[in-house]
Amino acid sequence: DQQVKQNSPSLSVQEGRISILNCDYTNSMFDYFLWYKKYPAEGPTFLISISSIKDKNEDGRFTVFLNKSAKHLSLHIVPSQPGDSAVYFCAASRAFGNEKLTFGTGTRLTIIP
Amino acid sequence: ETGVTQSPTHLIKTRGQQVTLRCSSQSGHNTVSWYQQALGQGPQFIFQYYREEENGRGNFPPRFSGLQFPNYSSELNVNALELDDSALYLCASSHKGGSKVSDTQYFGPGTRLTVL
Repeated sequence: DQQVKQNSPSLSVQEGRISILNCDYTNSMFDYFLWYKKYPAEGPTFLISISSIKDKNEDGRFTVFLNKSAKHLSLHIVPSQPGDSAVYFCAASRAFGNEKLTFGTGTRLTIIP
Repeated sequence: ETGVTQSPTHLIKTRGQQVTLRCSSQSGHNTVSWYQQALGQGPQFIFQYYREEENGRGNFPPRFSGLQFPNYSSELNVNALELDDSALYLCASSHKGGSKVSDTQYFGPGTRLTVL
C-alpha cells in the first residue's frame, strides 16, 4: 500500500531551467510534508517542508506547492544547478515532521550542463 | 553543532546471525527514528525512540528491536537475520517537547547491511 507516490523515477533538466518534481499521496490524515535530497553514500538531506495549513512555502531556489484537494505536492527548483543532481524523496507525516515519515520511492534528477 | 553519526558504515552478516547498529543523535535532539531503505525504494519507518521508550513502530517484526540511552544515542538490533534484511539502515534525530521543537528529522549517513 503505497501511500506516497512519486510516479517519475527520473527527470532530466537543462541547467538554469526549472525542475519540477511531483508527489501524490492517498492518506488524507497526512498533515505535514517534507522534501529530502539524497546523494549516493549519504543520508537524506532535508530541503524544505510545508504544513497542510499552507499551500506554498519558499526557501531560496526551492518552492513547495501543496494542493490538498488533489492530494498533490510539487517541488520547484529555479534555476536548476548541476549540484542539484540527486535523488529527491517526498515524505509525509500525520502530525509534525518529527513523527513517523512515510516516503515515496524517489525521483532521480539529473541537471544537464 | 554535531550532526547525526552512525556506525558501522558497512556490515556483512550471514543468515540467522544477529546485528547491532548504532546512532548518535544531533546535539540538542532527544528523539531518534530508524528507517530501512531497500534498493530502489524510499526509506521505511521501523520505530522511534523518545525518552528512552519506543514511541511508534512501523510494520516490522519483533526481531527488530531498539534501545535509546540517557545521552539520546540509540541502537537498532536485528535478530535471526534474513536475506531480505539487506538494506541501508538510516537513523534520524529530531527534538520533541519543551520550548525548542524540531519539526524536521535529520538523517545520518546510514549503515549498509548485507546478509549472505
